Amino acid sequence: EIMMTQSPATLSVSPGERATLSCRASQSVNSNLAWFQQKPGQAPRLLIYGASTRATGIPARFSGGGSGTEFTLTISSLQSEDFAVYYCQQYNNWPRTFGRGTKLEIK
Amino acid sequence: QVQLVQSGPEVKKPGTSVKVSCKASGFTFITSAVQWVRQARGQRLEWIGWIAVGSGNTNYAQNFRERVTITRDMSTNTAYMELSSLTSEDTAIFYCAAGHYGDYWGQGTLVTVSS
Repeated sequence: EIMMTQSPATLSVSPGERATLSCRASQSVNSNLAWFQQKPGQAPRLLIYGASTRATGIPARFSGGGSGTEFTLTISSLQSEDFAVYYCQQYNNWPRTFGRGTKLEIK
Repeated sequence: QVQLVQSGPEVKKPGTSVKVSCKASGFTFITSAVQWVRQARGQRLEWIGWIAVGSGNTNYAQNFRERVTITRDMSTNTAYMELSSLTSEDTAIFYCAAGHYGDYWGQGTLVTVSS
């Protein structure tokens, strides 16, 4: 099973600033990585797939990068609605596995 | 529009089973895949398993393999997840997500396991 490690566990950033979240896989997942956003009381929402392709309707301030074992999610200018928990998931190997999440909070 | 509507909350006794449904509309269900995810209160997302709707092929996480069954009914565009031998640790929200990448998500189903 591929382990997904996200860092940091919590990230405090001010609105308007840039946030960079990291996700590391225990072995290569090529570019088969997705990012999800989850707000309290809501289901997760797909942001990025293929490591860098934005899902339908996702604002351009969200960007994904990386391949192999190291990935990043960058939010270029944080809006109030972006404060949430973010999960990465690999779908290169069975079973699909999630990271433990990064909580993005207002500084 | 795309919708995944899950069945309502369940309260179960330890040792029993629960079957959660996930009805799809607004997209071509037969060419899709559905994954199921568990989330205990305040905890991480935990992948349970997956079904390719057209073929019926499934894949399960090791932690759930012996007690989970994922099925689908193409005539009603509905996927199901049945989990047996419930314990208090299964108290959680269960989500279905359709699409190759988890593009669409249901609203979640709260399953409470309590004696």
